[in-house]
Amino acid sequence: QKEVEQDPGPLSVPEGAIVSLNCTYSNSAFQYFMWYRQYSRKGPELLMYTYSSGNKEDGRFTAQVDKSSKYISLFIRDSQPSDSATYLCAMSARQGGSEKLVFGKGTKLTVNP
Amino acid sequence: EAQVTQNPRYLITVTGKKLTVTCSQNMNHEYMSWYRQDPGLGLRQIYYSMNVEVTDKGDVPEGYKVSRKEKRNFPLILESPSPNQTSLYFCASSLTQGAYTGELFFGEGSRLTVL
Repeated sequence: QKEVEQDPGPLSVPEGAIVSLNCTYSNSAFQYFMWYRQYSRKGPELLMYTYSSGNKEDGRFTAQVDKSSKYISLFIRDSQPSDSATYLCAMSARQGGSEKLVFGKGTKLTVNP
Repeated sequence: EAQVTQNPRYLITVTGKKLTVTCSQNMNHEYMSWYRQDPGLGLRQIYYSMNVEVTDKGDVPEGYKVSRKEKRNFPLILESPSPNQTSLYFCASSLTQGAYTGELFFGEGSRLTVL
């Protein structure tokens, strides 16, 4: 089983739709959970950041972490064409004195006007 | 403006010709790292550095070297590039010692083609 699994999509939705992006993971040591957004021909940028389980909301974006199910989600409400990008989940832990940060492969999202 | 700057942004080279991709950050960050991004494989870490003179291997270090002589710079060196190193490379930095608690700031990427 891969350490982090993310459906690559692509995902295409109409403007205004609610988008749900998900990742599953197998390493129970992960403590920090992140979502990065990557526009075409650009570097990833941090969108949301959560420690341990729970929800975090920032404007139209909500990140959820369910450690018991080893499942994280990113919800985008009222999606806009400007949300069209690849979304990467990432998770991290400190193990044996060194850090471990693993990225999902990314889900490509297109929001159609 | 806070940023991570990589050069060159695009490079075509031939097998065996040594090259260096430079990375510089102006945010006084402790942590710096190199990733490569390939279709179907995602982002994979090559090397990282927790601080000056401290570097460590990531998941795919073979064929690469790094050095961290100054806090702001973290060059990636390909001593003898091969076609399987054709990829999109990203440098990233973070304020905290270890990306696991901090926000990673990425550069714009360097697209390398090895013929």
